[in-house]
Formats: sequence, C-alpha cells, structure tokens
Amino acid sequence: DGGITQSPKYLFRKEGQNVTLSCEQNLNHDAMYWYRQDPGQGLRLIYYSQIVNDFQKGDIAEGYSVSREKKESFPLTVTSAQKNPTAFYLCASSPRVDTEAFFGQGTRLTVV
Amino acid sequence: AQSVTQLGSHVSVSEGALVLLRCNYSSSVPPYLFWYVQYPNQGLQLLLKYTTGATLVKGINGFEAEFKKSETSFHLTKPSAHMSDAAEYFCAVSEGPGGYNKLIFGAGTRLAVHP
Repeated sequence: DGGITQSPKYLFRKEGQNVTLSCEQNLNHDAMYWYRQDPGQGLRLIYYSQIVNDFQKGDIAEGYSVSREKKESFPLTVTSAQKNPTAFYLCASSPRVDTEAFFGQGTRLTVV
Repeated sequence: AQSVTQLGSHVSVSEGALVLLRCNYSSSVPPYLFWYVQYPNQGLQLLLKYTTGATLVKGINGFEAEFKKSETSFHLTKPSAHMSDAAEYFCAVSEGPGGYNKLIFGAGTRLAVHP
C-alpha cells in the first residue's frame, strides 16, 4: 500500500544523546516535511525539502538536522543542542509544496 | 506572509448539533485552503480542500467548508455532530498554483462532542 511510514512509534532517549527519526514514503512525492507538535501549539515546521539533495529550514530548525539523499527518505536527527526535544514528531509528503500534505502516524519522542 | 487563525482552541457541542469551526487566513495571492483532522496519537488526515472553482467544498464524514474571499475565511461545518467527530481539527493555507511556499497550519481546534 502507498503511504508514509514513520518509525518507531515511540522512542525514549537519554538527555544529551542524538536520535534519528525515520520517515519513508512510497508515494513518489517530491516534497517532504517534518513538523513538531506540542500540546496547544499546533504544528510547527522544522524542515522541508522540495527535491532530493535540497532542504530548507522551517520555523524551528535549531537543534535539528535532516538529509534528503533519496526521494523516498527524509530522516530527522534531534541533536543534543535541542533544548526541549520531548514532543510528537510528524512527517509528511506532498507532490508539490503547494498541494495537500499526506501525514505519517507520528513518532512520540521522550527524552529523560 | 501567509498566516492562519483558528478562533477557539476548544469547541464543545452536543451530539446532533451543528458543528462550526472557524478559520481565517491572510494571503497576498489566491490561496489553496485545507482542513485536516487528527485523532489522538495519530497523524493528520485530509478532510477537504479548496483550490479553485466552487467555493463550497464537501469533504469526508459529512463535513463541508465555504471559501469566502471577502471575509478571508474558510469555516468548517457539519450539520449534525456525531460522537466520532471528537478530535482536533487544523486549518492550513498555501500560496496555490505556481507558488512554492509550504503549508502553514493554524494552532488547531479541539472538538468535544457530548451526549
């Protein structure tokens, strides 16, 4: 089935450790996105990519890094520089950046 | 710059009552507009979208929304609420055709439906 797969669904890490969240899509979409969701704050854009080997910072990119080496994959690394990493992370993709986005099921990251 | 304002972070209705979730946007170009729904610990699912053409858009689960350019609004409605409609709803805007700008989301409205 076509869709967006985020793994794992739940992730626990110790403070100070980097962690990478996986996002894979088989929809042949050019654009991919990472959002962070905190209670009462809606979705905030971390990074987005319009094409392979290119990506742009969103509104809250500090403490995060991404890569886009393949069209299907857009992994997000939460670095130790991110001051408050505990959150629900959503990956999405779309045919173009101005069309509707299709979302994965999310990864809930808890840093202890 | 584009922005989206959702009026009311929480809305509560009785089962069978009208659902009205408000969304206002700002955009310097004709926008594309979207409504998404999110159930707990899930991703977002597209309810409906407006791109061009008819300003009254019908979506899934009996929801519809009307694009009103003069009011810069895209309010979501459903004539009769069902318990299964309880979720969080997000309005989003993009620049539309030829515009290479990302989707901008509102802060969301949590809908509660009580018996």
